[in-house]
Amino acid sequence: AQTVTQSQPEMSVQEAETVTLSCTYDTSENNYYLFWYKQPPSRQMILVIRQEAYKQQNATENRFSVNFQKAAKSFSLKISDSQLGDTAMYFCALRGSTLGRLYFGRGTQLTVWP
Amino acid sequence: EAGVTQFPSHSVIEKGQTVTLRCDPISGHDNLYWYRRVMGKEIKFLLHFVKESKQDESGMPNNRFLAERTGGTYSTLKVQPAELEDSGVYFCASSQENRVWGYTFGSGTRLTVV
Repeated sequence: AQTVTQSQPEMSVQEAETVTLSCTYDTSENNYYLFWYKQPPSRQMILVIRQEAYKQQNATENRFSVNFQKAAKSFSLKISDSQLGDTAMYFCALRGSTLGRLYFGRGTQLTVWP
Repeated sequence: EAGVTQFPSHSVIEKGQTVTLRCDPISGHDNLYWYRRVMGKEIKFLLHFVKESKQDESGMPNNRFLAERTGGTYSTLKVQPAELEDSGVYFCASSQENRVWGYTFGSGTRLTVV
């Protein structure tokens, strides 16, 4: 079975500060893929960042970076220099190497305040 | 390139009625997925089409849900008869064949059964 757990239902951060969203997962597969998706109030799900499990180097996309700890099955998202537009629901997701489906966590609602 | 389009964006129906949700994937995307998020819970997989064939329908909750993908183009998800617990946001996503990364998601249909 594959599961994704996000233990922080809500987070808040002041503009320009840094925030880290937590995600842990469980899978029996050796090769898999991890994602963070963002869902702003418009509801459009947007891919923020992705990581292949066989790559040890942590992925980075501009102000977004991950801390991928494979042994601990942890995949946290760090947002640097937070902006008001980062306010959204953030979902952590896991995809195995065979089936195409994604397994999602419950999401973390992030609010960035001025 | 046009994105994934879902109709309607909102639907409010009474228990026992029928509702049909539609998803238009990105042109050329063979893979089409349906997901659902019940308020406060994780996003859950419903089913996966490859062209017009159902690749994986293990997430369909019961036989009140019927999904079709005519000619491998758009897809419909019909709920008949609707129950209160069917309320939630229904997401559609599509991806090209053999693309491990990412899907493109639609903005979802918010279904409320009263």
